[in-house]
Parts: sequence; C-alpha cells; structure tokens
Amino acid sequence: DIQMTQSPSSLSASMGDSVTISCRASHDISNFLSWFQQKPGKAPGLLIFAASTLQDGVPSRFSGGGSGTDFTLTIRNLQPADFATYFCQQTYTMPYTFGQGTRLEIK
Amino acid sequence: VQLVESGGRVVQPGDSLRLSCAASGFAFSSSGMHWVRQAAGKGLQWVAFMRYDGSNNQYAESVRGRFTISRDNSKNTLFLQMNGLRVEDTAVYYCSILHYFDGVPYLPYWGQGTLVTVPS
Repeated sequence: DIQMTQSPSSLSASMGDSVTISCRASHDISNFLSWFQQKPGKAPGLLIFAASTLQDGVPSRFSGGGSGTDFTLTIRNLQPADFATYFCQQTYTMPYTFGQGTRLEIK
Repeated sequence: VQLVESGGRVVQPGDSLRLSCAASGFAFSSSGMHWVRQAAGKGLQWVAFMRYDGSNNQYAESVRGRFTISRDNSKNTLFLQMNGLRVEDTAVYYCSILHYFDGVPYLPYWGQGTLVTVPS
C-alpha cells in the first residue's frame, strides 16, 4: 500500500495568515492527489484534485502543488471557516490511502 | 447530487449488518462508487470500491473476506454487507462517487455518513 504522511499534524495560525500543509507519498503517485477539508461532525469536503485543480466553489485562497511524492496545500489569508482538519488522499492505486490529517487551529 | 447512507446501528461482535447508500442527482448506473470509514477522532480509511457495472470489486485488507460491496442500478442504491463485525469496525461509514479528470480519479461527493458501533 502507498503510505501518505502529512505534516505537521497540527498547527496554530491567526486570521489573515498563510499556512502550508505538506503531504508525502511513499511511492511516486504523479499528480493523483486530492485534498479534503473536514469540520467536526461533517463529511469531508473536496478542495483540490489532481494535485492542483480547485474544486468548483472552493475559494481561490486555497491552492495545491507538487508532483511525484511531495505535495503541498497552501491557504492564504486565513478566514474563520478555514479552521478545520485537512486530509490528503492518493488515488494512484487502491487502496486509496489518506494522510493522518492536519488540524488547523486558531492562535 | 445527493448521497444518503443508512443502516448503521449498534451491533454485537460477530454480527452482520447491511449499509445502504441512496443516490440521486447524477448518473448512478454510470458511476464507480466507494465506501470510506472514519473512527471517532481518527483519520479516514478507504474500505471498498465497485465499478459502475458491478465489476472489479476492491477491498481494504482489513475487511476483505468479511465485507461485500454491491449495487442495484435499477434502484440507484449502493450496499455494504458487513459480516463478522469487530470492535475495530466501529466508525462512521461514508459512500462517495468516483469521478475522473484527465484520467486522474477523485471523490467529489460524499454522503453524510452512517454510524456503526460494535462495542467491546
């Protein structure tokens, strides 16, 4: 199975800050990488797919990058709604494994 | 697009349970479908996949041989039959649709989830 490792596992930031979350795959997965946002008690919501393509309706403050084994999710100008948990997922091969999550908290 | 899971409840270890996912608002019979689960306070774990035509079933190693994914395209419904349930199967179970972008799979739509509890 392909292992996905996210870092950091948690971070604190203030409104208006920019943050970057990293995701590393144990094998080359090209651009087969998605990012999700999840809030307590809710289903995950897709933010980015194919490593850098923004899902419809997602603010342009969110951006994704990377290819191969190293990927990033960057959120600029943090807003109150952005404080949540973020997961990466590889869809290169099944099982479609997820990172362990990054919890973004308000400082 | 709407996905509505149901069937989750409290069951005893070793019991069986069937989850359903009612789909609407898209071409269900042309869509591959996934089940993904999440234990309380934990991360997401992919569970199973079925192609639009019911072929190519794939399972996580932890459920292979105990869980069976199936679908009824005439009723726009996806199922997950879970046998031999274990304490570690306790989780919220989500169904999700498989889409493709330039050949890259992704899961854009998820249901609200249904909770399965297997107490120790």
